[in-house]
Amino acid sequence: DTEVTQTPKHLVMGMTNKKSLKCEQHMGHRAMYWYKQKAKKPPELMFVYSYEKLSINESVPSRFSPECPNSSLLNLHLHALQPEDSALYLCASSRTTNTGELFFGEGSRLTVL
Amino acid sequence: AQSVTQLDSQVPVFEEAPVELRCNYSSSVSVYLFWYVQYPNQGLQLLLKYLSGSTLVKGINGFEAEFNKSQTSFHLRKPSVHISDTAEYFCAVSASGGSYIPTFGRGTSLIVHP
Repeated sequence: DTEVTQTPKHLVMGMTNKKSLKCEQHMGHRAMYWYKQKAKKPPELMFVYSYEKLSINESVPSRFSPECPNSSLLNLHLHALQPEDSALYLCASSRTTNTGELFFGEGSRLTVL
Repeated sequence: AQSVTQLDSQVPVFEEAPVELRCNYSSSVSVYLFWYVQYPNQGLQLLLKYLSGSTLVKGINGFEAEFNKSQTSFHLRKPSVHISDTAEYFCAVSASGGSYIPTFGRGTSLIVHP
């Protein structure tokens, strides 16, 4: 199993809603990542978890709250988002943070109204 | 810190023609290099990687890349493209001295015409 699975694939939410994005991998990887990608742009790193601990937060606004319940799961909790937060949110994993080779999910496309 | 430059934002090419997508990097330490492909409405998929050893790296879908340390380049090539190769291609570099989290280039849109 070499997949990273993300749900939901599409999400539309209002600015007052609370929602969550979910990511799962069963490759035994110990590093997991959240990226944000705008159209025609490269992915922008948001958060990195290494061995289930948050190791990098790229100065992401607090309306985005990551959570890593166990080594296979990664969540991104969303609250009070802005329309400019509309983007493709990509989850990725790697064996550790010392490999550089990332395995990406297909992404969750978020629209904030 | 490392950086990646993809000079071409868009490369149009006819089907069955050869293609080269350019990537240059800068880093003060040794690097790992990657090419990822992103098809429309999908995530990124690893095409190939250079970690060490042979400077000519072969990847999936007939792509290859050559690591040139003196020119700090890692250009991606394919001798004959297909319509299905139309996608966004990202070059990425990761470096030792901290973590290996990759830095992505801005991407090159490969457009294959029939």
